[in-house]
Amino acid sequence: ETGVTQSPTHLIKTRGQQVTLRCSSQSGHNTVSWYQQALGQGPQFIFQYYREEENGRGNFPPRFSGLQFPNYSSELNVNALELDDSALYLCASSLGGRGHTEAFFGQGTRLTVV
Amino acid sequence: AQTVTQSQPEMSVQEAETVTLSCTYDTSESDYYLFWYKQPPSRQMILVIRQEAYKQQNATENRFSVNFQKAAKSFSLKISDSQLGDAAMYFCAYRSPDSNYQLIWGAGTKLIIKP
Repeated sequence: ETGVTQSPTHLIKTRGQQVTLRCSSQSGHNTVSWYQQALGQGPQFIFQYYREEENGRGNFPPRFSGLQFPNYSSELNVNALELDDSALYLCASSLGGRGHTEAFFGQGTRLTVV
Repeated sequence: AQTVTQSQPEMSVQEAETVTLSCTYDTSESDYYLFWYKQPPSRQMILVIRQEAYKQQNATENRFSVNFQKAAKSFSLKISDSQLGDAAMYFCAYRSPDSNYQLIWGAGTKLIIKP
């Protein structure tokens, strides 16, 4: 167990709807990263939050947005869902900074858009 | 931009035998980190082993070891004495050494263990 928990574990939404995914980071970690993993592929970096500020973003449209709270937990919000948004969404927490190299992952949220 | 390539979609090995998974990457940076992660059916990514590019010595964690060839930009994972519990997807990943924890991933290799 990594201490990183994600909710919900599974979710079905209709195209055009909005969804919020949640991540509780490991105790003491101040950095949360989100990844999208389509079926049969490696994860793709969505964005990262460090001490409540977004400090890195991958090639995802603005309808993918996030938040990090003072306790360092995080949310990923996706608006106007499209069928291609169906994927496993992974959250990873870490202690930010050059010398810290390991991220701990949650079990993911499986999102299905119909 | 950095890229990571895993050219073996699937590998199989007999239990107790040794298997090597391949990974190549492309980068213009001289300092970086490389990782192998395991993703079992439970979906949670589990760190298997990591390598700092400035270290010449290959990393080892129990039955898992890497062959890091910096000039060739190659980072293979060797699993010795394969066990049924090793069956999973294995992903190679790259990270730049700044505060942004963006990992760049390969497409993965599915490892099958034959009893």
